[in-house]
Amino acid sequence: DIVMTQSPESLAVSLGERATIDCKSSQNVLYSSNNKNYLAWYQQRPGQPPKLLIYWASTRESGVPDRFSGSGSGTDFTLTISSLQAEDVAVYYCQQYYSTPLTFGGGTKVEIK
Amino acid sequence: QVQLQQWGAGLLKPSETLSLTCAVYGGSFNGSYWSWIRQTPGKGLEWIGEINHSGSTDYNPSLKSRVTMSVDTSKNQYSLKLSSVTAADTAVYYCAAMTGRSWGQGTLVTVSS
Repeated sequence: DIVMTQSPESLAVSLGERATIDCKSSQNVLYSSNNKNYLAWYQQRPGQPPKLLIYWASTRESGVPDRFSGSGSGTDFTLTISSLQAEDVAVYYCQQYYSTPLTFGGGTKVEIK
Repeated sequence: QVQLQQWGAGLLKPSETLSLTCAVYGGSFNGSYWSWIRQTPGKGLEWIGEINHSGSTDYNPSLKSRVTMSVDTSKNQYSLKLSSVTAADTAVYYCAAMTGRSWGQGTLVTVSS
């Protein structure tokens, strides 16, 4: 199984400031034949299912604000919230879909400082 | 936009069989794979497996011996059965499209004697 490791476990950021979450996979999730990283980011608010934010490591899902961006390749990835808003308080997960079993990171809780 | 609605028993005794069903509304049921994912405070998000319209399945090896997924294309529904449940199977269970774009509302399943 590909193990996904996120850091930090929690993060407190002031409104309007940048939040950065890291995700490392135990194996490469870049498929060489199409040069795509099989890595997604989700946001989960309390009592709700996860919501897809980013796929292919850096493609923003339709309707997701452009303050959310994803970067990285191979085994190291980052989710950045450029200017934290109150509604961004949530837990964020990375997920690899390069191979089954699909696996998720342990989550990063983002709070307002 | 694809919408998923799930239902099933929320309280089970040890050794019983968990049974959940998910209905898919909108989109192409035949054009995708459909997943079950569960979430616990301790283990986080865990992919249980997936099924497509023809009944082709892929299960997480950690649960494979106890999992059965089935599909009813006439109703655009798919189902999960997990046998011989224990307290460790207590979790919120989600159905979700393989794309990650659509999720059911979640069902809390508690296993307790």
